[in-house]
Amino acid sequence: QKEVEQNSGPLSVPEGAIASLNCTYSDRGSQSFFWYRQYSGKSPELIMSIYSNGDKEDGRFTAQLNKASQYVSLLIRDSQPSDSATYLCAVRGGYQKVTFGTGTKLQVIP
Amino acid sequence: EAGVAQSPRYKIIEKRQSVAFWCNPISGHATLYWYQQILGQGPKLLIQFQNNGVVDDSQLPKDRFSAERLKGVDSTLKIQPAKLEDSAVYLCASSLGGQTVYGYTFGSGTRLTVV
Repeated sequence: QKEVEQNSGPLSVPEGAIASLNCTYSDRGSQSFFWYRQYSGKSPELIMSIYSNGDKEDGRFTAQLNKASQYVSLLIRDSQPSDSATYLCAVRGGYQKVTFGTGTKLQVIP
Repeated sequence: EAGVAQSPRYKIIEKRQSVAFWCNPISGHATLYWYQQILGQGPKLLIQFQNNGVVDDSQLPKDRFSAERLKGVDSTLKIQPAKLEDSAVYLCASSLGGQTVYGYTFGSGTRLTVV
């Protein structure tokens, strides 16, 4: 079992719709969870972090964490073509080690 | 604030040659990381420094990869000799501290092609 799992996609959504990106992790001791956006040919850019169960909202982005289910998700409301990118889930577990998933490619169709 | 600086941006070398990458983290960031990102995969941690000490190098292929962070600021990552499978983007990142809950700030990366 991979430490951090994501569906590679592509996930295609129409412009204006809600995009839902999911991530599961295997280490129950994981403490911090991050979502990074990576445009093609560019470096990852941190967009959200979450540490407690529940929802955290920042503009059009909402991160959701359920530690009991070992599940973290990212919702993007009112998706725009500029949101088209690969979204990486990262989990900080034991010994402060951060593990990345393989990423989900999102395509927002105009 | 200035971001994480990396050089070179691109490098093409033949297999069995050596190569070195340089990273300058954000001022004041004690923790520095080197990641390898192969096309289509997520970044994989190679080595983590806290100031000038190594915190985690469990996934660093030590027979060919080496890294140092002198004076707790700049860092270099070296590959000698390179293999075809080392073709990847090498990302440097920094954060305020290893115990922090902050995410990373990544540099622009060095794209290595081994032919």
